[in-house]
Amino acid sequence: QKEVEQNSGPLSVPEGAIASLNCTYSDRVSQSFFWYRQYSGKSPELIMSIYSNGDKEDGRFTAQLNKASQYVSLLIRDSQPSDSATYLCAVNRAGRRALTFGSGTRLQVQP
Amino acid sequence: GAGVSQSPRYKVAKRGQDVALRCDPISGHVSLFWYQQALGQGPEFLTYFQNEAQLDKSGLPSDRFFAERPEGSVSTLKIQRTQQEDSAVYLCASSFEARETHKEYFGPGTRLTVL
Repeated sequence: QKEVEQNSGPLSVPEGAIASLNCTYSDRVSQSFFWYRQYSGKSPELIMSIYSNGDKEDGRFTAQLNKASQYVSLLIRDSQPSDSATYLCAVNRAGRRALTFGSGTRLQVQP
Repeated sequence: GAGVSQSPRYKVAKRGQDVALRCDPISGHVSLFWYQQALGQGPEFLTYFQNEAQLDKSGLPSDRFFAERPEGSVSTLKIQRTQQEDSAVYLCASSFEARETHKEYFGPGTRLTVL
């Protein structure tokens, strides 16, 4: 079992819809959770961080964390074609400074 | 500078050559990370520095990989006797904080191709 798992996609949604991206992690004592966006040929760009159970909203983005179920999700409201990218879930395991990444979910927003 | 910079952006090496990849972190950032990203995969951790101290090198795949950050700023990742499986994008990231709730900011990466 991978430490951080994501569906590779592609996830295709129409413009204006809500895109829902999911991630599960195996280390129960993980503490910090991040979503990065990566455009093709570019480096990862941090878009959301979440540290406690519940929802965290930032503009069109909402991150959701459920530590009991060991999953974290990202909702993108009013999806735009410019949101088309690979979304990487990253987890900071307790006692380890570096991030552990999933393989990413490719999102396609159809105009 | 405004962000993390890396050089060169592209490197082609013949198998067996040594390469050196440079990372300039954001000024004042304490933590520096190197990751390796294969095509279609997420970044994989290689090594971590806090200032000039290399605190974690558990991700380095072999003793051909070596990293340093002698003055706690610029870092160099060196790969000796490159192999084809070393072909990947090498990403550097830095963070202002040393705590675990840090946020990492990535450079543009160096794409290494070993022929």
